[in-house]
Amino acid sequence: EIVLTQSPATLSLSPGERATLSCRASQSVSIFLAWYQLKPGQAPRLLIFDASNRATGIPARFTGSGSGTDFTLTISSLEPEDFAVYYCQQRSDWPLTFGGGTKVEI
Amino acid sequence: QVQLQESGPGLVKPSETLSLTCTVSGGSISSYYWTWIRQPPGKGLEWIGFVYYSGSSKYNPSLKSRVTISQDTSKHQISLRLSSVTAADTAMYYCARGIAGSAGLDAFDIWGQGTMVTVSA
Repeated sequence: EIVLTQSPATLSLSPGERATLSCRASQSVSIFLAWYQLKPGQAPRLLIFDASNRATGIPARFTGSGSGTDFTLTISSLEPEDFAVYYCQQRSDWPLTFGGGTKVEI
Repeated sequence: QVQLQESGPGLVKPSETLSLTCTVSGGSISSYYWTWIRQPPGKGLEWIGFVYYSGSSKYNPSLKSRVTISQDTSKHQISLRLSSVTAADTAMYYCARGIAGSAGLDAFDIWGQGTMVTVSA
């Protein structure tokens, strides 16, 4: 199965700062990668699909990039509500797999 | 606004069958991949499997021998059954809607809030 490795595990930043999250695949997934935001007690939220397409209603400060094996989620200027855990997920091959997550903390 | 709500027992005994239901409100079941995903405490997300609106299904090989996902279109419900559970099946279980793209399942655009299931005697 395709293993997704996210780094760093934890990112400590302040509101207004830029966040750069990495997701590396064990083999090429083309552009078939999505990013999700998880907060305790809330439904997870789709942010990005197909590497760089913002989902409906997602603010422009969230940007996805990359292809093949290396992907990045960038949050240009952190808002208080952006502190959460972020996961990448590939749909290139079965089984679908997720990365281990990056926690963005204040 | 489509919403998903998971329901079911919060406690299941080892060796028994875990059964959960996802109720879809505010939208149709048609043309989507109805999916279950779980997250053990302190760990990452694991895809369990899906049922497509046509009735076909696909499962994670790590769980395939124990899992069944089905749909009841008349009730707008998706069901998960996981047999012979152990403590390793303790997790938050999420129902999610998978959108169909040009190459099959694309991404999970709507999720429920999840339901915690503990496996313990």
